[in-house]
Amino acid sequence: AQSVTQLGSHVSVSEGALVLLRCNYSSSVPPYLFWYVQYPNQGLQLLLKYTTGATLVKGINGFEAEFKKSETSFHLTKPSAHMSDAAEYFCAVRKDSGNTPLVFGKGTRLSVIA
Amino acid sequence: DAGVTQSPTHLIKTRGQHVTLRCSPISGHKSVSWYQQVLGQGPQFIFQYYEKEERGRGNFPDRFSARQFPNYSSELNVNALLLGDSALYLCASTEIPQSPNEKLFFGSGTQLSVL
Repeated sequence: AQSVTQLGSHVSVSEGALVLLRCNYSSSVPPYLFWYVQYPNQGLQLLLKYTTGATLVKGINGFEAEFKKSETSFHLTKPSAHMSDAAEYFCAVRKDSGNTPLVFGKGTRLSVIA
Repeated sequence: DAGVTQSPTHLIKTRGQHVTLRCSPISGHKSVSWYQQVLGQGPQFIFQYYEKEERGRGNFPDRFSARQFPNYSSELNVNALLLGDSALYLCASTEIPQSPNEKLFFGSGTQLSVL
């Protein structure tokens, strides 16, 4: 079965600082990996996804993530945090084949301090 | 184009009651999924429907049921409500489920409170 562990339920950074949100996955087969963002009182929005090919994936709003198979990780980064990045971030995994749904992590709340 | 729409946005029920949540997918999307998001947790998969047929079911009791209509809208029904059913219920739509380029579009959810 697939699972996702997000390290740190709450991360706080200063405006302009590097954002690093950690995600480790467990999967018996090559996974598809996703990062979603949830703003207050809203649904989830896809930031980026890894399926196959290039392991460094660029997403919206300046975010990117790197798939590292040897470390079973898919950490999310952004070079410079903006106040508008404050939100809940969810990492998710799915098998690359078969009739399986997304499995989400518990989420990491990002706070950005002025 | 309208995004995924869910109704109602908020709902308060008492234990033992029944609730129906509704979802309209993005135009052209034929698949709808339902997720439950308990406060402080990530969304958990409940059901997926494609072309009006159930394509997947999560680890939820039989009190939870769903269906998809010919216009691809969907209802989630929960019977005999428990306090633990209090959560944000999210609906997501996609064109073709579980394809390599699948992209889920989420609605804003229905916040259900069971008292």
